[in-house]
Amino acid sequence: DSGVTQTPKHLITATGQRVTLRCSPRSGDLSVYWYQQSLDQGLQFLIQYYNGEERAKGNILERFSAQQFPDLHSELNLSSLELGDSALYFCASSGSHPLAGPSDTQYFGPGTRLTVL
Amino acid sequence: AQSVAQPEDQVNVAEGNPLTVKCTYSVSGNPYLFWYVQYPNRGLQFLLKYITGDNLVKGSYGFEAEFNKSQTSFHLKKPSALVSDSALYFCAVSYPGGYNKLIFGAGTRLAVHP
Repeated sequence: DSGVTQTPKHLITATGQRVTLRCSPRSGDLSVYWYQQSLDQGLQFLIQYYNGEERAKGNILERFSAQQFPDLHSELNLSSLELGDSALYFCASSGSHPLAGPSDTQYFGPGTRLTVL
Repeated sequence: AQSVAQPEDQVNVAEGNPLTVKCTYSVSGNPYLFWYVQYPNRGLQFLLKYITGDNLVKGSYGFEAEFNKSQTSFHLKKPSALVSDSALYFCAVSYPGGYNKLIFGAGTRLAVHP
């Protein structure tokens, strides 16, 4: 158990809908990362937050947004869902300061499997 | 562009034999290299990482990896494979200037046969 929790485990919804995925980082970790794992794109970095502030953006669609709250949990919001958004969404956390270097280990949650019908 | 390559989709090995899962990378600057394992319906579990220093890194469950700067490789190894090692293995890299985002390879499925 990595200490990172994600809810829900599974989510089934229809095209055009909006969903929210939730992540709680390991105790003491200030950075949260979101990744998408799909069959055609593999594992791709979406976005990073550090202590409530956005720090880095990857291949995140404009229909997707995220935020990190004062208690450090994070939410990933996916809207106007399309069939191609079906994927496993992972949250990871680490304790690093964003400017301290990229050597910190990221610990991953169990993921949320999103199915768009 | 920064990238990671895992040239083998699948590696088959008999239980008790040594195993190697290959990884090569391309980044500007000094790389930080990671191996993760994913079991079915589970998240990614951290195995080991290379930051600096000794090129041979030891990690969890008897796994080790060797960093080779001239060949830009970071192959995962284990002296004696177990059936329970069967899983999907991912190599990842981060780098200075890339914040902390991980760039993953496509993954290699390891199948250990009894």
